[in-house]
Amino acid sequence: SAVISQKPSRDICQRGTSLTIQCQVDSQVTMMFWYRQQPGQSLTLIATANQGSEATYESGFVIDKFPISRPNLTFSTLTVSNMSPEDSSIYLCSVDRGPTEAFFGQGTRLTVV
Amino acid sequence: QQQVKQSPQSLIVQKGGIPIINCAYENTAFDYFPWYQQFPGKGPALLIAIRPDVSEKKEGRFTISFNKSAKQFSLHIMDSQPGDSATYFCAASNYGGSQGNLIFGKGTKLSVKP
Repeated sequence: SAVISQKPSRDICQRGTSLTIQCQVDSQVTMMFWYRQQPGQSLTLIATANQGSEATYESGFVIDKFPISRPNLTFSTLTVSNMSPEDSSIYLCSVDRGPTEAFFGQGTRLTVV
Repeated sequence: QQQVKQSPQSLIVQKGGIPIINCAYENTAFDYFPWYQQFPGKGPALLIAIRPDVSEKKEGRFTISFNKSAKQFSLHIMDSQPGDSATYFCAASNYGGSQGNLIFGKGTKLSVKP
């Protein structure tokens, strides 16, 4: 099964700055997914990233705030831009493993101060 | 229509107890109901899943009970152990295809005391 490496595992950032989260998969995958996990809240899909095309964003998420890159079939980045304390969350990347199964990386715990 | 409501938010049981976590969904088109387990500092991982053609599914100490008419499903953990302490998420979707349609509950933080 796939191995997903996500970096950084945690970070503390100043408001107004940006953080780029990296996700590396050890096998080629068509789609990569980015989620946000807020304290006490559901896992929420931010966007789906396909290689060679623009990411598809879910309702409530916009490219200016969460730009995504997908330069090849094993790598993606999510940037959290112009951060505010409300962006403090765990950010997770995921790939498909079997029908309708999400296989997650270990997540990035972001704290904005 | 797209919500999955999960309860309780947190749960504390003694070792050997049987914690029960409940979920309710609204969309009758859903036909796939997985549970994910998340340990601190890790991403969620698929634990067990059920489809509506059966009312119960067991895998080891974990059992899903499914009530289609009530649009509810629950996770039971038999003979719970401290190592089961984790956050559990239920989810619902249409089976097949990618994960993009998974709708997750808000999670239940389970603590199993020795």
